Amino acid sequence: TQLLEQSPQFLSIQEGENLTVYCNSSSVFSSLQWYRQEPGEGPVLLVTVVTGGEVKKLKRLTFQFGDARKDSSLHITAAQPGDTGLYLCAGPNQGGKLIFGQGTELSVKP
Amino acid sequence: NAGVTQTPKFQVLKTGQSMTLQCAQDMNHNSMYWYRQDPGMGLRLIYYSASEGTTDKGEVPNGYNVSRLNKREFSLRLESAAPSQTSVYFCASSEGWGGENIQYFGAGTRLSVL
Repeated sequence: TQLLEQSPQFLSIQEGENLTVYCNSSSVFSSLQWYRQEPGEGPVLLVTVVTGGEVKKLKRLTFQFGDARKDSSLHITAAQPGDTGLYLCAGPNQGGKLIFGQGTELSVKP
Repeated sequence: NAGVTQTPKFQVLKTGQSMTLQCAQDMNHNSMYWYRQDPGMGLRLIYYSASEGTTDKGEVPNGYNVSRLNKREFSLRLESAAPSQTSVYFCASSEGWGGENIQYFGAGTRLSVL
């Protein structure tokens, strides 16, 4: 069974701090996706990483796919209160279905 | 742009009652999905419809049934609700089948079973 483990589960930081969220697996994934979910809403796709070692930037967010395609990270620089939300990583399993990590709940205090 | 619309947004049921969660998408997508989200467990796939006319079980199908009414609509039915089905339910759709395709989610239905 392919699993995605996210860490940390909860993160509470002050505005302006940097943070990194990790998504790890013992299995190889063809790609990994990162979603952000705001309270009362559904997840929204932020980025898809496809190639091992790939780095993608989205404003203050930097996403990296591990060389072996078993892990990914999300780094936020100078976090803002608007970054508050649940961050989910997800990847397709061998049957083609999307499986999700448990999520990282981020709170950025002003 | 409506995207994926779910109704109702909130529902409280008593144990043993039945209900149907509705989902409709206006993006002409072929594939649709039902997930449940519980604290600390991410999203788990209940059922999916890879294309109109087909439905298949996901990771946690017990206690649920689905109907792909047409290309736009995919409903989830709880025949006899149990407290363990208290959760937030999300419908999603994608242009094609497979985890490589971008999935678009509705805003969710928050269900409490007492």
